[in-house]
Amino acid sequence: EPEVTQTPSHQVTQMGQEVILRCVPISNHLYFYWYRQILGQKVEFLVSFYNNEISEKSEIFDDQFSVERPDGSNFTLKIRSTKLEDSAMYFCASSTGVSYQPQHFGDGTRLSIL
Amino acid sequence: DQQVKQNSPSLSVQEGRISILNCDYTNSMFDYFLWYKKYPAEGPTFLISISSIKDKNEDGRFTVFLNKSAKHLSLHIVPSQPGDSAVYFCAAKAGTGTASKLTFGTGTRLQVTL
Repeated sequence: EPEVTQTPSHQVTQMGQEVILRCVPISNHLYFYWYRQILGQKVEFLVSFYNNEISEKSEIFDDQFSVERPDGSNFTLKIRSTKLEDSAMYFCASSTGVSYQPQHFGDGTRLSIL
Repeated sequence: DQQVKQNSPSLSVQEGRISILNCDYTNSMFDYFLWYKKYPAEGPTFLISISSIKDKNEDGRFTVFLNKSAKHLSLHIVPSQPGDSAVYFCAAKAGTGTASKLTFGTGTRLQVTL
């Protein structure tokens, strides 16, 4: 069964450094998403992406965040200057966009900011 | 802003019995509801969903019920199996056929005992 893959599984970064999280969505999916889950909290929406542009973003997704689809398969989340509070699990998801079809999630990247 | 609420953080059920997980929502614009299962160190895995035009959807051992007037949905697992032990997230979406975000509840940890 096709799946969303994310790399790396764990990223440790010094505060203030840039980090890029990578995702390969399911190949026939057209909509892509990033969510995050801070330890002990709920899964929160960050951004959705369709047709090479952002469709929607949350208040969390400020100027320090950016997303890109650099080629036909990868979808990336960049955090320009990381803060301690960026430590979380980051999940990538994708969907066909067809009505009443679910989003499928990757296994996440654990981001630890020191 | 708790638009999706799962008031039971944990539930313990004996193998073979029924597990009932509950979820309440406040946003009347939600029209598609999903249940995800999550094991440690993995991403949320889609389990079952229901659109607002239905009040019940069944898939094998899993049934989701939707009560729109009460803004309440529930997931029934019959019979429960030890492999069902996981965290279950309720999620909701407003708007179909778009890149609409999912809003998650805080999750219920289900433990199925022998």
